[in-house]
Amino acid sequence: NAGVTQTPKFQVLKTGQSMTLQCAQDMNHEYMSWYRQDPGMGLRLIHYSVGAGITDQGEVPNGYNVSRSTTEDFPLRLLSAAPSQTSVYFCASSRAGGSLLVFGPGTRLTVL
Amino acid sequence: KQEVTQIPAALSVPEGENLVLNCSFTDSAIYNLQWFRQDPGKGLTSLLLIQSSQREQTSGRLNASLDKSSGRSTLYIAASQPGDSATYLCAVSRSYNTDKLIFGTGTRLQVFP
Repeated sequence: NAGVTQTPKFQVLKTGQSMTLQCAQDMNHEYMSWYRQDPGMGLRLIHYSVGAGITDQGEVPNGYNVSRSTTEDFPLRLLSAAPSQTSVYFCASSRAGGSLLVFGPGTRLTVL
Repeated sequence: KQEVTQIPAALSVPEGENLVLNCSFTDSAIYNLQWFRQDPGKGLTSLLLIQSSQREQTSGRLNASLDKSSGRSTLYIAASQPGDSATYLCAVSRSYNTDKLIFGTGTRLQVFP
């Protein structure tokens, strides 16, 4: 099993550009989520999904969109990139009902 | 609003020491608590998960305890090794959906030979 995969590993954007961060898991996990990690602020939840077709907002959803058309994929879209979105983004997944969270390796995003 | 605090922010110990990392949370209405390890430039690896009804969990040299009423958890690492050097994060969940976690800012541990 590849676990949770994320692409790209690194990305540089200009202010106002849009892009999609890809996340896929091959463990048949029901739950998937996106976090961002910033120095001194820890990880914060952006969006999450409890199954295909079901998504909801986390703590810091503004400026981001998600969709979950399949169990395996959970892409994160930046609509109009801003310097405040410079961060490391982690995708995670888990089985329903309380199980260990599996994280992807992360995408380091810089917005100029 | 739930807040999670980890003290100390950094810790440096010689190899072989037993050590304790602390995690405190302000709202005791949690569903579970997880401990993670993060190596520099890498993703997070889940170490232990404690359900709210449990008092502790063990995995190898790691033991995590939970005192929900006082809002505290500790991660005990026995016989520390240089390979244990990493940042350790705790996170709490208020619901059965464990992906909705509130994280602490971590304790950066260095174990020197």
